Amino acid sequence: GAGVSQTPSNKVTEKGKYVELRCDPISGHTALYWYRQSLGQGPEFLIYFQGTGAADDSGLPNDRFFAVRPEGSVSTLKIQRTERGDSAVYLCASSSQGLGTEAFFGQGTRLTVV
Amino acid sequence: QQQVKQSPQSLIVQKGGISIINCAYENTAFDYFPWYQQFPGKGPALLIAIRPDVSEKKEGRFTISFNKSAKQFSLHIMDSQPGDSATYFCAANAGGTSYGKLTFGQGTILTVHP
Repeated sequence: GAGVSQTPSNKVTEKGKYVELRCDPISGHTALYWYRQSLGQGPEFLIYFQGTGAADDSGLPNDRFFAVRPEGSVSTLKIQRTERGDSAVYLCASSSQGLGTEAFFGQGTRLTVV
Repeated sequence: QQQVKQSPQSLIVQKGGISIINCAYENTAFDYFPWYQQFPGKGPALLIAIRPDVSEKKEGRFTISFNKSAKQFSLHIMDSQPGDSATYFCAANAGGTSYGKLTFGQGTILTVHP
């Protein structure tokens, strides 16, 4: 396929609700990353998958945030009990395995918690 | 120690001028320094990247200058064009298996006037 695809493009949810954000990486890319970008800021790393396993989840802000990648391709970022402070653009990126491999970003999902 | 500090926050140049954006870092484990370009509503896209074994890298109108001893690097855009108007992010990576786990700067909004 083309690039990294993220759905939905926009999501508005009420405070306290549960949301799922989906990422389809570039076909064949084994590494997948989630970032959060607040307004006027650079992206902040959340979690990194190598294949099906989370190799590094050090950026997840708290236990309301969880991500899965059960078959090593599509990934879902899950946010429980959403708070207004979770409002941001959530970016997904993927790269092929190996040193010096570029990460390609999707267009992001804009999450608004009202 | 994980921060990457970027300046200026915003930059206005005339068409044909030179745009210069600067970044500084503290973590000496960083060994990969990319610059990303982001247009509104889009994800970041890799522009150019450098590793610390060279002091300069040029690709077309874009040049990265790298000063390892000062722990600083900068992006120079020669002959700036209105189409270059975007937000630019420097970033850094501490190595490992891929270059997708990035620490980003705060971003610079570049406006090129015709």
